[in-house]
Amino acid sequence: QVQLVESGGGLVKPGRSLRLSCAVSGLTFSDSYMSWIRQAPGKGLEWISYISPNGDTKYYADSVKGRFTISRDNAKNSLSLQMNSLRAEDTAVYYCAKDEQWLVYWGQGTLVTVSS
Amino acid sequence: EIVMTQSAATLSVSPGESATLSCRASHSVSSYLAWYQQKPGQAPRLLIYGASTRATGIPARFSGSGSGTEFTLTISSLQSEDFAVYYCHQYNNWPPTFGQGTKVEIK
Repeated sequence: QVQLVESGGGLVKPGRSLRLSCAVSGLTFSDSYMSWIRQAPGKGLEWISYISPNGDTKYYADSVKGRFTISRDNAKNSLSLQMNSLRAEDTAVYYCAKDEQWLVYWGQGTLVTVSS
Repeated sequence: EIVMTQSAATLSVSPGESATLSCRASHSVSSYLAWYQQKPGQAPRLLIYGASTRATGIPARFSGSGSGTEFTLTISSLQSEDFAVYYCHQYNNWPPTFGQGTKVEIK
């Protein structure tokens, strides 16, 4: 069955960096558009980044543009999110998802807490 | 950016009754609208896409309708497992945006 498993979350100080990963199985990853979506504690959903199957096309929400970088390794069926210059407002559960415009499959999420 | 507004923050419904959830877009999104269900501590689950197409494995008691700026998710004969938060999501315009969610709780 389809599985998306995020990892890499944790407690980090403001201004520092963190790299999230998403391991994908059960689908043809190299043909899949992928996105990252986050959810601040007790809040709603916010789409933050998107990448095309070959990695040539990437989009970012204004809230993370210039600080976050999405990437993928199709040989390893893996999606990544490099997060730099982290702020308190980046505290959230981060989900990866298979993006068919609608978000078909989601991982279980990984919590990122930005605090001094 | 298109703003998605879900008119009710909370809906109190008795088991077995129907629930009607509303979602309004600030500009037309045609039929590029999805609905998700989220239970505490879990990831969202896709219910509906294309405004009215049920995702694989979603029971027929879930139905979606609407186009343009007004959308509805109807849950007929609510089961215990249906009490959750529901989000609408437009993917017609960049960036994709979500409503703030409607919590369906037991009355």
